[in-house]
Amino acid sequence: AQTVTQSQPEMSVQEAETVTLSCTYDTSESDYYLFWYKQPPSRQMILVIRQEAYKQQNATENRFSVNFQKAAKSFSLKISDSQLGDAAMYFCAYRTSYDKVIFGPGTSLSVIP
Amino acid sequence: DGGITQSPKYLFRKEGQNVTLSCEQNLNHDAMYWYRQDPGQGLRLIYYSQIVNDFQKGDIAEGYSVSREKKESFPLTVTSAQKNPTAFYLCASSLGGGTAYGYTFGSGTRLTVV
Repeated sequence: AQTVTQSQPEMSVQEAETVTLSCTYDTSESDYYLFWYKQPPSRQMILVIRQEAYKQQNATENRFSVNFQKAAKSFSLKISDSQLGDAAMYFCAYRTSYDKVIFGPGTSLSVIP
Repeated sequence: DGGITQSPKYLFRKEGQNVTLSCEQNLNHDAMYWYRQDPGQGLRLIYYSQIVNDFQKGDIAEGYSVSREKKESFPLTVTSAQKNPTAFYLCASSLGGGTAYGYTFGSGTRLTVV
């Protein structure tokens, strides 16, 4: 069965600095999709970025980028120029071939002014 | 604007009661999902439906039931068989079961047993 691990329950970053959130996953599939979701205090889940496993190029969305290492089964999220509004829970997620999405336990990110 | 509406925002259940959480979407999405969120455990899949009148159990379906009579609606019933129902419940939808494009989520329902 596929699993998603986020080894950092909590992280903090100074405003305007860069932070990287880690995610590893376990799968025997070769084609899949990975996601990062943000859950601010309002608890509304927001899709931050997605990565298709067959694409070697790392996805980027404005200040958010990923480092996708397929062989290592690693999918880290880098947030550049951190802003106060980036403070949230961040969930790494994996889409299985059966169309289900499995979520990691989450990393709580604090942004220090 | 299109989106997913969950209601109520807060729900209180007495021991032995069944309660139903509402989820409505106007995105014309085919697939809909229910997740349960507990602290430190991320989101766990309860049920999902890829088409009207069809649904599948997720990882923690025991004590829950669903129906999908209309494309836009996917209500979740928490039955008295669910022994620990206090949690945050999230409904989501996606295009044509193609979750490669990610989910759109509702704003959630907080269920508390009193």
